[in-house]
Amino acid sequence: DTGVSQDPRHKITKRGQNVTFRCDPISEHNRLYWYRQTLGQGPEFLTYFQNEAQLEKSRLLSDRFSAERPKGSFSTLEIQRTEQGDSAMYLCASSQGQGLRNQPQHFGDGTRLSIL
Amino acid sequence: AQKVTQAQTEISVVEKEDVTLDCVYETRDTTYYLFWYKQPPSGELVFLIRRNSFDEQNEISGRYSWNFQKSTSSFNFTITASQVVDSAVYFCALSEAETNAGKSTFGDGTTLTVKP
Repeated sequence: DTGVSQDPRHKITKRGQNVTFRCDPISEHNRLYWYRQTLGQGPEFLTYFQNEAQLEKSRLLSDRFSAERPKGSFSTLEIQRTEQGDSAMYLCASSQGQGLRNQPQHFGDGTRLSIL
Repeated sequence: AQKVTQAQTEISVVEKEDVTLDCVYETRDTTYYLFWYKQPPSGELVFLIRRNSFDEQNEISGRYSWNFQKSTSSFNFTITASQVVDSAVYFCALSEAETNAGKSTFGDGTTLTVKP
């Protein structure tokens, strides 16, 4: 068990650029979640996948954000035309779950995005 | 809608003191899970405990203990004989089993500083 892996750990970019983050969940986990954490707040839910299906998206996820999990394994989160307000820690988590039965989420170390 | 409130923004104690971190939650579901996570300065989220809504038995793990009371919708966390290494931000989280399939709602966290 290598845990949830996120890449990169840090990303600094200019406003208006596109960025993409990657998350590799624990291999046997079928659920994958993306959260955003801004300074002084707890993580906020963005979206989640069960296998390759994206089942829910938060209203926080504007049309500049898109997430994929094409083969039900790793996932990518892309932000287009980044804005200052996108600066945050982006956390990925995975868990094993089916219906109402959910195991605890395991979180990655996050990708810290800084917009210049 | 589910909500988690951690009223204590910051707590500072001297090493070896006991400290209790408060967590109050709101949910309409009868089946739900409560979690505590630790986020040290390095940034990763570390899972500490999960309780389900049908198990109100208090739990002790070493210097950590948790008091779950459905009557007051609280899930408080006590650290006994605190140590400097306990300094971190602690998050309480709620996951509704019946409506939200595993995603978590976090409180805003309590920053604990343990001074030597």
